[in-house]
Amino acid sequence: DIQVTQSPSSLSASVGDRVTITCRASQGISNGLSWYQQKLGQAPTLLIYAASSLQSGVSSRFSGSGSGRDFTLTISSLLPDDVATYYCLQDYAAPYTFGQGTKLEIQ
Amino acid sequence: EVQLVESGGGLVKPGGSLRLSCATSGFIFSNYKLNWVRQAPGKGLEWVASIDHFGSEKYYVDSVKGRFTISRDNGGNSLYLQMNSLRAEDTAVYYCARVKIETDTDAFEIWGRGTTVTISS
Repeated sequence: DIQVTQSPSSLSASVGDRVTITCRASQGISNGLSWYQQKLGQAPTLLIYAASSLQSGVSSRFSGSGSGRDFTLTISSLLPDDVATYYCLQDYAAPYTFGQGTKLEIQ
Repeated sequence: EVQLVESGGGLVKPGGSLRLSCATSGFIFSNYKLNWVRQAPGKGLEWVASIDHFGSEKYYVDSVKGRFTISRDNGGNSLYLQMNSLRAEDTAVYYCARVKIETDTDAFEIWGRGTTVTISS
């Protein structure tokens, strides 16, 4: 089974900062990685699919990159509304695996 | 409007059973792979099970193999999760999620709001 390691587990940044979250797969997964945002008490929402494609309706401040084993989610200019936990998901092949999550807070 | 609505959660004793349902609307149900994802209190997301368009391919996380069964009714536009031999560690919010098909990957595009399962004596 493919494992995914996400880092950091938590992150504190200021409004306007550029924020980066990474995921590393235990083996190559091509572009089979997606990113999700989960706000407190809500279901997750899809931000990025196929490693770098922006989901319809999602702010262009969010971007994804990577292929193979290493992937990155970047928020270009942090807003207070971005406070949430972010997860990556290896969706290349079942059994699918989520990263451990990154809790993002505003300083 | 695309909707997924979970139901069937509740409080069950260890060793008991529950059947979760996910009622869907707003899309052609049989065109999509579907998944169950759970989240234990204060913990991260855990993929639980997936099923292909016609129910012929099913996959499970190791911790539920032999205890949980995913199924679907394409005529009734519904997804199910039969959960047997429940354990305290199965306590979680259970979400159903629909895969995005405009891509060669299986991103979880649409999510329900979840149903809460509590296993306790």
